[in-house]
Amino acid sequence: DTGVSQDPRHKITKRGQNVTFRCDPISEHNRLYWYRQTLGQGPEFLTYFQNEAQLEKSRLLSDRFSAERPKGSFSTLEIQRTEQGDSAMYLCASSQALRGAYNEQFFGPGTRLTVL
Amino acid sequence: GENVEQHPSTLSVQEGDSAVIKCTYSDSASNYFPWYKQELGKGPQLIIDIRSNVGEKKDQRIAVTLNKTAKHFSLHITETQPEDSAVYFCAAISGGGGADGLTFGKGTHLIIQP
Repeated sequence: DTGVSQDPRHKITKRGQNVTFRCDPISEHNRLYWYRQTLGQGPEFLTYFQNEAQLEKSRLLSDRFSAERPKGSFSTLEIQRTEQGDSAMYLCASSQALRGAYNEQFFGPGTRLTVL
Repeated sequence: GENVEQHPSTLSVQEGDSAVIKCTYSDSASNYFPWYKQELGKGPQLIIDIRSNVGEKKDQRIAVTLNKTAKHFSLHITETQPEDSAVYFCAAISGGGGADGLTFGKGTHLIIQP
């Protein structure tokens, strides 16, 4: 399978715990995006990387959230001290940047987080 | 920032009929408009996109039109089939070089009645 993969697919945690999600992009893609989707809504942009550099963060990304892409391949998204409002689907997408062009973003299956 | 409005929120059509979903955007600098299909429990799947230098694009039963002056774009699905039932999202991106994240509409739940 050459698509975007995410792990785990489901995570249930108690309020106050830390959680970490992983995303593996399509192998030749140099851009990686994180989105959050709540029930009945469209995905909301959180942050993105070009190679290992984190180039943009949404104001939705509070200081409890941190993302890394240390070697420019897979990425992790960590949420510290989880709150019930963090319950959502966390989606990862990747694209291949081409100079002067907009690039299709391909999404993974998501990680569904439930905070009790 | 960009704001994308999508209508209707639910659309029910008879199998074989056409379906049209409409979106408007606020940022005149936006110049890339993809459409995604999302089935239950899955991530969004890109089905078609259009860039601002093009007014219409077609791929088999799916077409997208863009009116830059009015800042709206639409998805047209002809000869609908049961497997077209899903939630459809429009999105827009502004800024240079595709650097920004996508701004999505709230989605349209398309129901194909047999």
